[in-house]
Amino acid sequence: QKEVEQNSGPLSVPEGAIASLNCTYSDRGSQSFFWYRQYSGKSPELIMFIYSNGDKEDGRFTAQLNKASQYVSLLIRDSQPSDSATYLCAVEVGGTSYGKLTFGQGTILTVHP
Amino acid sequence: GAVVSQHPSWVICKSGTSVKIECRSLDFQATTMFWYRQFPKQSLMLMATSNEGSKATYEQGVEKDKFLINHASLTLSTLTVTSAHPEDSSFYICSASGGKAEQYFGPGTRLTVT
Repeated sequence: QKEVEQNSGPLSVPEGAIASLNCTYSDRGSQSFFWYRQYSGKSPELIMFIYSNGDKEDGRFTAQLNKASQYVSLLIRDSQPSDSATYLCAVEVGGTSYGKLTFGQGTILTVHP
Repeated sequence: GAVVSQHPSWVICKSGTSVKIECRSLDFQATTMFWYRQFPKQSLMLMATSNEGSKATYEQGVEKDKFLINHASLTLSTLTVTSAHPEDSSFYICSASGGKAEQYFGPGTRLTVT
């Protein structure tokens, strides 16, 4: 089983719709969870982080965390073509690993007009 | 806030030469810096973790004598690819954290070895 697994994608949604990106992780000791957006040819950009169970909202983005189910998701409301990118789920490795992150393989999102 | 720069943004070198890549945190003190490599259509692969003033911790399978990492200050880390070969051609990206779990990435360096 992969340490961090994302829904395989690619995901295609129409402009204005809600895009839902999912991620599961295997390390029960993980406490910190991140979503990065990566445009083609560019480096990742941090868009959300969440540490506590429940929802965290920032503008059009909502991160949801369920530690019991080892599940974290990202919802993008009112999706725009500029949201088209690869979304990377990252989970902090548990224990004393100096903030090391494990990344999922990424989900390619395309928002079509 | 949380801006990380990298230099150069791209470099072409001949096989057998060495290349140094710089990573700087511009507006915060980076207690920890990370170096990643990314091949086309693949996810990020962590190469090493470095803390200021300490030796870097390399991931399994990464040759520490080939990829030299120095983290001399709280705002600067360097990665030197020694005796580069075509298979070292990749997108090298650094990230930095200031004592919290969030990592902020530099823009990356695209290395091509001919």
